[in-house]
Amino acid sequence: EAAVTQSPRSKVAVTGGKVTLSCHQTNNHDYMYWYRQDTGHGLRLIHYSYVADSTEKGDIPDGYKASRPSQENFSLILELASLSQTAVYFCASRDWGRNTGQLYFGEGSKLTVL
Amino acid sequence: EQQVQQSPASLVLQEAENAELQCSFSIFTNQVQWFYQRPGGRLVSLLYNPSGTKQSGRLTSTTVIKERRSSLHISSSQITDSGTYLCAMDLHNNRIFFGDGTQLVVKP
Repeated sequence: EAAVTQSPRSKVAVTGGKVTLSCHQTNNHDYMYWYRQDTGHGLRLIHYSYVADSTEKGDIPDGYKASRPSQENFSLILELASLSQTAVYFCASRDWGRNTGQLYFGEGSKLTVL
Repeated sequence: EQQVQQSPASLVLQEAENAELQCSFSIFTNQVQWFYQRPGGRLVSLLYNPSGTKQSGRLTSTTVIKERRSSLHISSSQITDSGTYLCAMDLHNNRIFFGDGTQLVVKP
């Protein structure tokens, strides 16, 4: 079973503070994604990566940075957290092997910015 | 522009009724996935269906690429089917876009 783990699962941050959300996958997948979900809505793509040491912008990258230091790890960084970044953040990895494109998600990181 | 549109936004069923969820896309895509999510929970992949019809248990997905749409049929609904169903598609460069979901409530 493919595994994606996120940390922290929940965090309260102050406006202007720095927040780092971490994601670790043991699937040996090349592609990894960061999404945010706001209450009652679907997921919006923030950043993604298809190889270590490289990241790509998604639909809503402003205010976020991403880092992919290894195939297994993908971090989302909020240098100056703002109230509007309160949301649940999901990390996913993508299998281009046997299941051809299936996404595997982590359990989410709930971020509250005060 | 919303790349993925889902309907209905919400649906209430009596247990054992069938459900039909719809998804339409702004562009042609050959990568369509359906997910299930409990409130505040992880997204779980239900079906990966780039084209045609695929079935998994009580779930059947039909994707018609040339019409830019996909549907998810849930037969004999159960209370535990309650939650949000999301569809997603690949745009290009492996960017995956999601609809806002259909919130399903199954009542006893």
